[in-house]
Amino acid sequence: SQTIHQWPATLVQPVGSPLSLECTVEGTSNPNLYWYRQAAGRGLQLLFYSVGIGQISSEVPQNLSASRPQDRQFILSSKKLLLSDSGFYLCAWSVLGGRNEQYFGPGTRLTVT
Amino acid sequence: SQQGEEDPQALSIQEGENATMNCSYKTSINNLQWYRQNSGRGLVHLILIRSNEREKHSGRLRVTLDTSKKSSSLLITASRAADTASYFCARSNFGNEKLTFGTGTRLTIIP
Repeated sequence: SQTIHQWPATLVQPVGSPLSLECTVEGTSNPNLYWYRQAAGRGLQLLFYSVGIGQISSEVPQNLSASRPQDRQFILSSKKLLLSDSGFYLCAWSVLGGRNEQYFGPGTRLTVT
Repeated sequence: SQQGEEDPQALSIQEGENATMNCSYKTSINNLQWYRQNSGRGLVHLILIRSNEREKHSGRLRVTLDTSKKSSSLLITASRAADTASYFCARSNFGNEKLTFGTGTRLTIIP
């Protein structure tokens, strides 16, 4: 069966510090991978998605970047965090060329202070 | 914005009652999906309905889709306390690998 991991679960970082959130998927190959951000009590905002190694699509201009160094690894980064980067970050995967049902990780709660 | 709207934003009902949530959207879809999110957790896929389907059932869940009105509804029958969560609709468009999520309905089941 497929499993998706995200870490860390919670993170408190000062403004101006770097960020690295990691997401890995097990039990599947060539997945589509996604990073979302969710503000408190709000819907999901798609940040990045990837259909293959090294292929990253950015949905909104922002202070963040994403990389996919391996088939089942997706990393969200920032060089200098802003207060507005606080939120709940979710990684998800779907089957390439499938019906686009997405399967989510447990999320990372980021607080920038 | 292509983001749809969900209605109501919040819903509180007694355990055992039925809960209905609605989702509207603006563009053509390939399929529409519903997800559940418990507080502080990731989303869980509940059910998918294709654009050529009008109704679909899964356990206590019933989803309808009206493409002429660009709307969908999720009915949860015989609600339980464990159904307390936020529910999101998400639209999949033709030709891309993305989903567009609605704003969500926060459902509270009162024991």
